[in-house]
Amino acid sequence: KNEVEQSPQNLTAQEGEFITINCSYSVGISALHWLQQHPGGGIVSLFMLSSGKKKHGRLIATINIQEKHSSLHITASHPRDSAVYICAVTRGGSEKLVFGKGTKLTVNP
Amino acid sequence: DGGITQSPKYLFRKEGQNVTLSCEQNLNHDAMYWYRQDPGQGLRLIYYSQIVNDFQKGDIAEGYSVSREKKESFPLTVTSAQKNPTAFYLCASSYGIRYGYTFGSGTRLTVV
Repeated sequence: KNEVEQSPQNLTAQEGEFITINCSYSVGISALHWLQQHPGGGIVSLFMLSSGKKKHGRLIATINIQEKHSSLHITASHPRDSAVYICAVTRGGSEKLVFGKGTKLTVNP
Repeated sequence: DGGITQSPKYLFRKEGQNVTLSCEQNLNHDAMYWYRQDPGQGLRLIYYSQIVNDFQKGDIAEGYSVSREKKESFPLTVTSAQKNPTAFYLCASSYGIRYGYTFGSGTRLTVV
């Protein structure tokens, strides 16, 4: 079993829909990261969080440390949100990232 | 603007040849990382370096080599010993675990 599991693997939505992507992990962590990978391949860091909730524009990330679970929400989705969203964790005491396999999001106009 | 530059974006090599992928950062980050991405799999760590002239193997270091002679540069050499080198390679850098990571745009290597 992977240390970081994401669901769903693929997600198709209509423009304007509210989107949720889930991430569960099985190890102790110092931080959890949400990343966005566009079709060209480059990765952008969206959030780094170790507790609670963070918001940036239409994106919201939450984490529940006790349940070892995080969610990424996108409100009022838009076709430009189409990308692969990757959850990654840094284990306690380590700088190394452990990645989930990603969720491919397609938002149709 | 500060960032990470990976070059080239696409690279084709014949089987049996060594090839070096470039990664340069002007963020003054101490730590640098190389990851490999294959379809349907999460990114996997090849090598990382926390300071100049020092680096450690990651989870899949066999068939790869790196150097860290300058803080700004962390080139990755894919050697002929790497059995399945065709993949997407990403470089990243960081001040440290409390500060997050910056990623490059990647190099897609195809070995024919």
